[in-house]
Amino acid sequence: GAGVSQTPSNKVTEKGKYVELRCDPISGHTALYWYRQSLGQGPEFLIYFQGTGAADDSGLPNDRFFAVRPEGSVSTLKIQRTERGDSAVYLCASSLTGTSGNTGELFFGEGSRLTVL
Amino acid sequence: GDSVTQMEGPVTLSEEAFLTINCTYTATGYPSLFWYVQYPGEGLQLLLKATKADDKGSNKGFEATYRKETTSFHLEKGSVQVSDSAVYFCALSDPSGYSTLTFGKGTMLLVSP
Repeated sequence: GAGVSQTPSNKVTEKGKYVELRCDPISGHTALYWYRQSLGQGPEFLIYFQGTGAADDSGLPNDRFFAVRPEGSVSTLKIQRTERGDSAVYLCASSLTGTSGNTGELFFGEGSRLTVL
Repeated sequence: GDSVTQMEGPVTLSEEAFLTINCTYTATGYPSLFWYVQYPGEGLQLLLKATKADDKGSNKGFEATYRKETTSFHLEKGSVQVSDSAVYFCALSDPSGYSTLTFGKGTMLLVSP
């Protein structure tokens, strides 16, 4: 597709369960980002991939969160032992290149809304 | 660390009114500054940007000027339309970083006919 695609758009799970959220970036974009947006807040950075490798994972809140991008395209954000505080919209974005001189042009998907009961 | 503060919303205006949404920032060095917009049911999209002091970003009738002396990047539009109703996010990127962005909390704009 033309834009960043995220699935599922909505996910409801129970506390303690495992969740995977998928992001399909724009074709040819080497940089991929995950952000989390809680209610009433702006997006908060989680992790950044350049190609297949995580160049910066400093925003991951704890070791229950993990993300992969094995072939340098699709990425999966994985959350283990979910907690109610994990409820948020998880946003994925991509850009042509991460070190692009601060163009700031990130292309965002519509997000995956996670609700942990 | 870097941070962005923007005025709380919602901002409610009538069509053709003048819009200002305030944004101030705290950062080391000289960040690039951005406004992103999120229309209902859509993903965030870049509205405008400025990469150095005194630069003015503009798009779709919106403008913002990078003011280093006041660490501000206020968003303005002379005449808003109903279709401008959205959530607006001010953001900055660390000049030494990887285009990761630090966002403000967002300001909802509601424009009535």
